[in-house]
Amino acid sequence: SHELTQPPSVSVSPGQTARITCSGDALPKQYASWYQQKPGQAPVVVIYKDTERPSGIPERFSGSSSGTTVTLTISGVQAEDEADYYCQSADSSGAYLVFGGGTKLTVL
Amino acid sequence: EVQLVESGGGLVQPGRSLRLSCAASGFTFDDYAMHWVRQAPGKGLEWVSGISWNSGSAGYADSVKGRFTISRDNAKNSLYLQMNSLRPEDTAFYYCAKDMEPSASSVDYWGQGTLVTVSS
Repeated sequence: SHELTQPPSVSVSPGQTARITCSGDALPKQYASWYQQKPGQAPVVVIYKDTERPSGIPERFSGSSSGTTVTLTISGVQAEDEADYYCQSADSSGAYLVFGGGTKLTVL
Repeated sequence: EVQLVESGGGLVQPGRSLRLSCAASGFTFDDYAMHWVRQAPGKGLEWVSGISWNSGSAGYADSVKGRFTISRDNAKNSLYLQMNSLRPEDTAFYYCAKDMEPSASSVDYWGQGTLVTVSS
């Protein structure tokens, strides 16, 4: 199995850009997704296949990939973006998923 | 509208069993892999188990392997998780989750979760 590593926390002021990284040896070969989870709610996918944004997700959310690191970028952060964010990937055989430990985004 | 509704959670003593169910609607159930993902109170997401569209392959986290069994009934649009030999560390919200593909890749829809508490 492979592991995904995220920073525990990121803090930004409203209107600034937040970048959350996720590192893992399998990421050059496997797509990553990002999920937003607010307290008391189920997660919501905000990015899939490294860079794709589902319908209904604001354009300020974007994803990128470089080598063993994928990055979730939130441009022009708003107070409502304060949440936990998780990266996720799958193994090459399509048998299991793996999640990163999560990053708490605080909007100052 | 995609809906995933979990049921079967509750309070159970260590060593006992519990069966979770997930009723799916709003999509062609047998086109997609399905998963169970759990979250202990105040902790992160942990993938528990997944099953491919036709039940041809199933995977388990090391923490539950040999104790939990995932299954699906495509005729009933339902996903199940049989949990045996439960431990206090299995206490968590259990989410039913729909994959975007026929085998494990990424989740696009989540249920609201059902709470399993393992305690004497």
